[in-house]
Amino acid sequence: GDSVTQMEGPVTLSEEAFLTINCTYTATGYPSLFWYVQYPGEGLQLLLKATKADDKGSNKGFEATYRKETTSFHLEKGSVQVSDSAVYFCALLNTDKLIFGTGTRLQVFP
Amino acid sequence: DAMVIQNPRYQVTQFGKPVTLSCSQTLNHNVMYWYQQKSSQAPKLLFHYYDKDFNNEADTPDNFQSRRPNTSFCFLDIRSPGLGDAAMYLCATSRDRLAGVSDTQYFGPGTRLTVL
Repeated sequence: GDSVTQMEGPVTLSEEAFLTINCTYTATGYPSLFWYVQYPGEGLQLLLKATKADDKGSNKGFEATYRKETTSFHLEKGSVQVSDSAVYFCALLNTDKLIFGTGTRLQVFP
Repeated sequence: DAMVIQNPRYQVTQFGKPVTLSCSQTLNHNVMYWYQQKSSQAPKLLFHYYDKDFNNEADTPDNFQSRRPNTSFCFLDIRSPGLGDAAMYLCATSRDRLAGVSDTQYFGPGTRLTVL
């Protein structure tokens, strides 16, 4: 069945460091891909999405490119801030189901 | 602003005492979802409504029920909560299905359920 694999956390960075969180997927067909962010004690917020191969989703300085050839959707940010500390979920949407990865906790220190 | 609203944000119930969680949306979306998220885990889909059509996940316990009286509201009923049902419950919506593929899902802030 469809699945999403994310790198295990926590990812610990200093402020202004470069961020990469790896995400790969297995799916039939052509799923849409998403990154959601969850701040402590809150629900999930859509961060960015891409609906077809080679699409780049971007928001708030984060970006991810839908790579069909490597079945990947890695999240990147050039310069993280303390306020980016959260759990990041990669997900795919195929038919009616949103399938999540296990989440990667990001901790950014001043 | 259009949004997905969940009430209450925090709910405490006793072991075996029925509890209802509420979700409403002003997005006028056709599809509504309920997820369960336990600590440090990914959200797990319990069921969803496509309009009035109820779709239960195969592994959702019978203890969990849902109602959708109209487009805007959806309720999660837990008939006899156990300690293992303590979790964050997330409601989400999506506009519709398009050629068999749902649109982006938008999540509410969640209700954290504690079972004593």
